[in-house]
Amino acid sequence: EADIYQTPRYLVIGTGKKITLECSQTMGHDKMYWYQQDPGMELHLIHYSYGVNSTEKGDLSSESTVSRIRTEHFPLTLESARPSHTSQYLCASSEYGQGEAFFGQGTRLTVV
Amino acid sequence: QQQVKQSPQSLIVQKGGISIINCAYENTAFDYFPWYQQFPGKGPALLIAIRPDVSEKKEGRFTISFNKSAKQFSLHIMDSQPGDSATYFCAALYRDDKIIFGKGTRLHILP
Repeated sequence: EADIYQTPRYLVIGTGKKITLECSQTMGHDKMYWYQQDPGMELHLIHYSYGVNSTEKGDLSSESTVSRIRTEHFPLTLESARPSHTSQYLCASSEYGQGEAFFGQGTRLTVV
Repeated sequence: QQQVKQSPQSLIVQKGGISIINCAYENTAFDYFPWYQQFPGKGPALLIAIRPDVSEKKEGRFTISFNKSAKQFSLHIMDSQPGDSATYFCAALYRDDKIIFGKGTRLHILP
């Protein structure tokens, strides 16, 4: 049973607000990822981390930032939300030497 | 540059039929090829995976066929059921690098 949690599940927020999407995993995985996905569509990698204090930008340019101060926690922050940020954000984790990635249920963000 | 190309984008199959989704890759260094299944409102979950030293892997109604020389692999769903309706993603990765996903296939099984 995969234990990776994202909060909130749904968020509606006004333009210009700062938001942080939370992602936590209890599996001790070193590798963590953030994906942006429109419903049922392509997964776009926006950030990934190979361990504490390691963060890299993904293939899709994003105005968001991430941090990895603890192994289990990989929050994503938007300093000033815009309607173009409306999307679903999925967090995932995996272990070195193991190809399987475990995904959270996602946060559906709507910026009005 | 898209390293994993997936087709078709959408697929409609009658209940009891065979669903086939295809993927092609470019990087011959890839050594792990998983398929993920995603239901609406959920994150993707690993369905089945294969390594390039075998040509086929079967788990229940799901089979991966792998053609190393053609750099292609496919997912076959036998006796497709309405509960199989979901989005399917093929993927590939090399050792401990990041996962490369295909663009996804929306599968709908008609009851």
